[in-house]
Amino acid sequence: DTGVSQDPRHKITKRGQNVTFRCDPISEHNRLYWYRQTLGQGPEFLTYFQNEAQLEKSRLLSDRFSAERPKGSFSTLEIQRTEQGDSAMYLCASSPFYQETQYFGPGTRLLVL
Amino acid sequence: KQEVTQIPAALSVPEGENLVLNCSFTDSAIYNLQWFRQDPGKGLTSLLLIQSSQREQTSGRLNASLDKSSGRSTLYIAASQPGDSATYLCAVGLTDTGRRALTFGSGTRLQVQP
Repeated sequence: DTGVSQDPRHKITKRGQNVTFRCDPISEHNRLYWYRQTLGQGPEFLTYFQNEAQLEKSRLLSDRFSAERPKGSFSTLEIQRTEQGDSAMYLCASSPFYQETQYFGPGTRLLVL
Repeated sequence: KQEVTQIPAALSVPEGENLVLNCSFTDSAIYNLQWFRQDPGKGLTSLLLIQSSQREQTSGRLNASLDKSSGRSTLYIAASQPGDSATYLCAVGLTDTGRRALTFGSGTRLQVQP
């Protein structure tokens, strides 16, 4: 059990560019979550997968955001046409079906210039 | 819409002191409440999870209580240590079937002075 991993850890991009983040959950955790955290605030929920099915999406997830979990293992979060307001820490978490505790990864810090 | 508030926003205490962090939520129809710790620039580490049917949970020097009817939870840290310095976040899970989103407070930033 190596924990939740995220890649990259840091990303700097120019406004208007597309970015993609990857999350590898803990092995055999069938639930996967994405959150966004800005400085001084708690994380805000973006979306939730159970296996490969995306079961819940926040209104924060505008049409520029898309998340996938094609084989029910790793997940990707893509942001198209990035804006300066997208600058934040993007956190991924996972949990097994039999437990409510969410285990968080180290996050990907995005800076949009 | 569920709102979670944490008071105080920041706290500085000398080593060895016992302390209480507060969390309140507006909608008492919660499924569970979790306390997390976050070190600067890092992800979150789960500390304690209280189901809605429970009143408290303990882990080592940490004790979390839940009063669902009044919309409050407290995290008690006994004999604080410099290594406890971090931001502490509480989060509530909703009761709606199938919904797994957590709603977080903004956290309490704790500094324990040696």
